[in-house]
Amino acid sequence: KAGVTQTPRYLIKTRGQQVTLSCSPISGHRSVSWYQQTPGQGLQFLFEYFSETQRNKGNFPGRFSGRQFSNSRSEMNVSTLELGDSALYLCASSIQGNNYEQYFGPGTRLTVT
Amino acid sequence: GQQLNQSPQSMFIQEGEDVSMNCTSSSIFNTWLWYKQDPGEGPVLLIALYKAGELTSNGRLTAQFGITRKDSFLNISASIPSDVGIYFCAGQGSMNYGGSQGNLIFGKGTKLSVKP
Repeated sequence: KAGVTQTPRYLIKTRGQQVTLSCSPISGHRSVSWYQQTPGQGLQFLFEYFSETQRNKGNFPGRFSGRQFSNSRSEMNVSTLELGDSALYLCASSIQGNNYEQYFGPGTRLTVT
Repeated sequence: GQQLNQSPQSMFIQEGEDVSMNCTSSSIFNTWLWYKQDPGEGPVLLIALYKAGELTSNGRLTAQFGITRKDSFLNISASIPSDVGIYFCAGQGSMNYGGSQGNLIFGKGTKLSVKP
């Protein structure tokens, strides 16, 4: 069974631009969660989607948004990029939202210049 | 909000040594997970714990869900070079939003390196 895939793996953007990251969960997994990982703050929860609905949201500004499609694939969008948004963005999937065995993708390394 | 304190922050291992690390919280968690992350990769799930007092093994790894539900421990026996990496504990948050059981909260990680 294929694991969680994320595209692109690396991305360089400039301040003020926007970016869209994509995540395909493990087949049969309906919950997708997004995390931001930085050296200073560690892994921080962004949001969780289940059956195309955002069920849980972390403490991030409204510039961070996401969505989930009917095939469980998910995208996250960051608008008006800031230098501090440079991070590894990780997507994790689980069978259902209340199963905390989350499986992570390799991440998208975003660099904002 | 809920926070996890993971210790030690880093440690050096020599092949064959046993390794221990732990996570503590000021509040109760219902689930504890342990992950390992290699450079340039996402975290890989090692062990999941769902009941207070539970002791679970995965090969040379053993993890325990503390009886108070505020801590968890991970032990690695007879370490080998490929054990190097960053180990994260994660706990299920107790907040409920719209039916979800709550998001995962992660510790800052324990970095395992090889003794020079």
